[in-house]
Amino acid sequence: NAGVMQNPRHLVRRRGQEARLRCSPMKGHSHVYWYRQLPEEGLKFMVYLQKENIIDESGMPKERFSAEFPKEGPSILRIQQVVRGDSAAYFCASLLNRDETQYFGPGTRLLVL
Amino acid sequence: EDQVTQSPEALRLQEGESSSLNCSYTVSGLRGLFWYRQDPGKGPEFLFTLYSAGEEKEKERLKATLTKKESFLHITAPKPEDSATYLCAVLTGANSKLTFGKGITLSVRP
Repeated sequence: NAGVMQNPRHLVRRRGQEARLRCSPMKGHSHVYWYRQLPEEGLKFMVYLQKENIIDESGMPKERFSAEFPKEGPSILRIQQVVRGDSAAYFCASLLNRDETQYFGPGTRLLVL
Repeated sequence: EDQVTQSPEALRLQEGESSSLNCSYTVSGLRGLFWYRQDPGKGPEFLFTLYSAGEEKEKERLKATLTKKESFLHITAPKPEDSATYLCAVLTGANSKLTFGKGITLSVRP
């Protein structure tokens, strides 16, 4: 059973460009969480999605950030007009229904120049 | 607001020198406490889930325990391959959101 997959693993963008981060959950998982890890900081919750629904986006900045989890395909975290402060590692985790354990992907390291 | 504090921030041990990592928490309505291991450049790897005070779980050289205010990760006779950052997180709320501590960086010298 393949684990959670994320791509790209590393992403370099210049200020003002868009970043798209993709996450494919474990097979059979229909819940996806996105977390951000800044240097010297713990992981911070951003958004929780189920297929075609945003359940909780309380941790996501109101501007420039959006997330989706379509019926088919991976979950996407989109950051528009990136700034240097967006440089971080972004992790997604998937949740097996009826099980509270979240399994994490390898992360995408975003560097904004 | 839920808070998780891990201590110490960093720990250096000699191979075979047992120790404990601490995770204290202040939450409303704990549904579970998780321990993860994170190696540099990788995602968190699940270790344990604890659900109620008094619960203990073991895996190889690791043992996790839980009280009403804190959790301990005991490492018995550690080896260099146990070197990693250990993350503690609490599960609260109906949306299964995890709140993480900053982690403890463990270094085990041969």
